Amino acid sequence: QLQLQESGPGLVKPSETLSLTCTVSGGSISTNTNYWGWIRQPPGKGLEWIGSTSYSEKTYYNPSLKSRATISVDTSKNQFSLMLSSVTAADTAVYYCAYDFWTGFPYFDFWGQGTLVTISS
Amino acid sequence: DIQMTQSPSSLSASVGDRVTITCRASQSIITYLNWYQQSPGKAPKLLIYGASSLRSGVPSRFSGSGSTTDFTLTISSLQPEDSATYFCQQSYNTPRTFGQGTKVEIK
Repeated sequence: QLQLQESGPGLVKPSETLSLTCTVSGGSISTNTNYWGWIRQPPGKGLEWIGSTSYSEKTYYNPSLKSRATISVDTSKNQFSLMLSSVTAADTAVYYCAYDFWTGFPYFDFWGQGTLVTISS
Repeated sequence: DIQMTQSPSSLSASVGDRVTITCRASQSIITYLNWYQQSPGKAPKLLIYGASSLRSGVPSRFSGSGSTTDFTLTISSLQPEDSATYFCQQSYNTPRTFGQGTKVEIK
């Protein structure tokens, strides 16, 4: 079955760009019906969808991020990535990647374990 | 954006109890409603999709119901391993939005 694993720096300075990668194993990132998503959770708070992408990079973002987020796909490495620019302390969160099943009734499944990213100088 | 409101925010119940969590959407989402379980320090896990379809491998004591704006997650007989926070999420449109969560504790 699918396994997803996030990787990237755990500490990013304010105003810089957060960059995370999600490696997919147990299946291909290039399946037509699959989307791949990023969700975050500030410490002690609820879940916020950041965005999702297909393997062909048809991408949807949460407008609340004001165009700071970019999601891309590397099919050769079976990976997809998140970049979040101009970060502030409010972007401190556990970031999850997940399989976004976007056929019929869409849902998130096969979540990564999550990676804590702290925004601090 | 569609707002998702869960109630209660937390509850405490005994092993074997029937537990019900409700989720209300700010507009009709038909049955585009999912439920997730999150144990402390862990990633969320999908329990229910399409309001009432049980994900493969999820115990049958979990069930979901509802349509349009009002939805319910029921645990028919609470078990110790069900101590967790439960989130609803709408997939009717983007941005996908989640409820604030309901923390379930075992007495």
